[in-house]
Amino acid sequence: AQKITQTQPGMFVQEKEAVTLDCTYDTSDPSYGLFWYKQPSSGEMIFLIYQGSYDQQNATEGRYSLNFQKARKSANLVISASQLGDSAMYFCAMREGAGSWGKLQFGAGTQVVVTP
Amino acid sequence: EPEVTQTPSHQVTQMGQEVILRCVPISNHLYFYWYRQILGQKVEFLVSFYNNEISEKSEIFDDQFSVERPDGSNFTLKIRSTKLEDSAMYFCASSEGQENTEAFFGQGTRLTVV
Repeated sequence: AQKITQTQPGMFVQEKEAVTLDCTYDTSDPSYGLFWYKQPSSGEMIFLIYQGSYDQQNATEGRYSLNFQKARKSANLVISASQLGDSAMYFCAMREGAGSWGKLQFGAGTQVVVTP
Repeated sequence: EPEVTQTPSHQVTQMGQEVILRCVPISNHLYFYWYRQILGQKVEFLVSFYNNEISEKSEIFDDQFSVERPDGSNFTLKIRSTKLEDSAMYFCASSEGQENTEAFFGQGTRLTVV
């Protein structure tokens, strides 16, 4: 069974608009962490934002925020005020277990194209 | 800002040859990982390494793969006899091992097996 599901293979968004990237996850472990990474065309993996399963508030990092709905097992990424440089592949990932050393399990990714 | 460094950035090798991919993790990190990404596909976990031994490995990480920390700074992935299907981007990552911390990824090594 897929641990991380990203249902949007690709999205177009206009510059300055907000975009929401969907991510649902599957785990029976009460302790887990959810991550979003950005992969531009150059290939590197850039960490964006983290949400812990016990965090009471949604994580935010600058223009990135994570809409964490624990009961629905969803962790959607919201990018506000999109910029041309936001064009990239975005991966949702999960780490299960209380420790922070476990492997990351990735979704299939969403390709975002920001248009002028 | 400290970063994970991988060399080479791109390697082309003939099928059946051995390759060694090198990584220098962030210096105070304790946990090290290798992931791979076949072109157009998702990132897949290969192996994690802690305290000079493998802590977890995936089913992909079979006998043709090995990892080593030969000195205090380098972390290597060896593929003994490469196959065409080993062509992928290989990412090294490291983490502190503290709560609520992310894994930092290197820029990747693109391996092409011909």
